[in-house]
Amino acid sequence: KAGVTQTPRYLIKTRGQQVTLSCSPISGHRSVSWYQQTPGQGLQFLFEYFSETQRNKGNFPGRFSGRQFSNSRSEMNVSTLELGDSALYLCASSWLAGEETQYFGPGTRLLVL
Amino acid sequence: SQKIEQNSEALNIQEGKTATLTCNYTNYSPAYLQWYRQDPGRGPVFLLLIRENEKEKRKERLKVTFDTTLKQSLFHITASQPADSATYLCALVKGNNDMRFGAGTRLTVKP
Repeated sequence: KAGVTQTPRYLIKTRGQQVTLSCSPISGHRSVSWYQQTPGQGLQFLFEYFSETQRNKGNFPGRFSGRQFSNSRSEMNVSTLELGDSALYLCASSWLAGEETQYFGPGTRLLVL
Repeated sequence: SQKIEQNSEALNIQEGKTATLTCNYTNYSPAYLQWYRQDPGRGPVFLLLIRENEKEKRKERLKVTFDTTLKQSLFHITASQPADSATYLCALVKGNNDMRFGAGTRLTVKP
């Protein structure tokens, strides 16, 4: 069974631009969560989607948004990029929302110049 | 404020020894705690989960303890191998799926 896939794996953007990252969960998984990982702040929860609905949201500004499609694939968008948005963005999937075991993808490394 | 601390940024041990990693927390009441392994450039991989009413969990060479009085979890890797070298993250989860991660401990096992 294929794992969680994320595209693109690496991305370079400049300040002020916007970016869209994609996540395909493990087949059959309906919950997708997004995390930001930086050396300074560690791994921080962004949001969780289940059945195309956002169920939980972390403490991030409104520039960070996401959505989930009917096939459970998810995208997250960051608008008006700032230098501090440079990070590894990880998505994780599970069968159900709030499930204890999540499976993480390899992440998208975003560099904002 | 809520705080999760993992004992040190880095831990170096000799192959064959037991590695012990610590996760301490304050101002938080987790329903359960998880440990993950993360290799460079990859996402975390789930290792073990222990609930608040459990004292100890084992899986092969791994053992986790959870002391809600001390607000501490210990993660042990026995008979450590160089392949165990990675960053290990603890994550605390409340009942509403509020999940908080520690900063991680980078373990290096030397042959």
